[in-house]
Amino acid sequence: EAGVAQSPRYKIIEKRQSVAFWCNPISGHATLYWYQQILGQGPKLLIQFQNNGVVDDSQLPKDRFSAERLKGVDSTLKIQPAKLEDSAVYLCASSQTATRVEQFFGPGTRLTVL
Amino acid sequence: GDSVTQMEGPVTLSEEAFLTINCTYTATGYPSLFWYVQYPGEGLQLLLKATKADDKGSNKGFEATYRKETTSFHLEKGSVQVSDSAVYFCALSVGAQGGKLIFGQGTELSVKP
Repeated sequence: EAGVAQSPRYKIIEKRQSVAFWCNPISGHATLYWYQQILGQGPKLLIQFQNNGVVDDSQLPKDRFSAERLKGVDSTLKIQPAKLEDSAVYLCASSQTATRVEQFFGPGTRLTVL
Repeated sequence: GDSVTQMEGPVTLSEEAFLTINCTYTATGYPSLFWYVQYPGEGLQLLLKATKADDKGSNKGFEATYRKETTSFHLEKGSVQVSDSAVYFCALSVGAQGGKLIFGQGTELSVKP
């Protein structure tokens, strides 16, 4: 079974530029999560999708971050414009359902904002 | 709000030593508890889990028991190996919140031969 795929693996941009990350969850998984992991900290949820609807985006900085999950499969997370404090690893995870508690994580995208 | 607190690292042990990484939590509901591991250069992997009080999760020689009375989920291993060197994250999930994971800050373990 293929795991959660993410791209790119690494991205370096300058502040005020825009960037987008892509995630392809495990086939058949209805729930998709984006987490932000700042160096030295645990991951923090940014947004959760159930199929193509948003379940929780309470910690997403909506003035600069946006995310979508078209057709309930792939998802894209965008930052525009980026700030220095956005430097982090962005993790995508998926689970069969929201109540099926095991989440499977992708390898992450390491973003550096200069 | 819900939160997880782990012992600070880094933790450095010799091979075959006993490992304990402390984890305590605060939650308003009845959480499920997890330990995730992140090996160097790899993504997060589920190590073990427990979904109700007094459950014991175990995997690869690691164990953790869900203690509701002390709100703890300490990770233990009787004899660590160099290959166990990684960052370990304790996490909780409250089903009523849609399954999102709340993580501790992580504990880095380094095992020396």
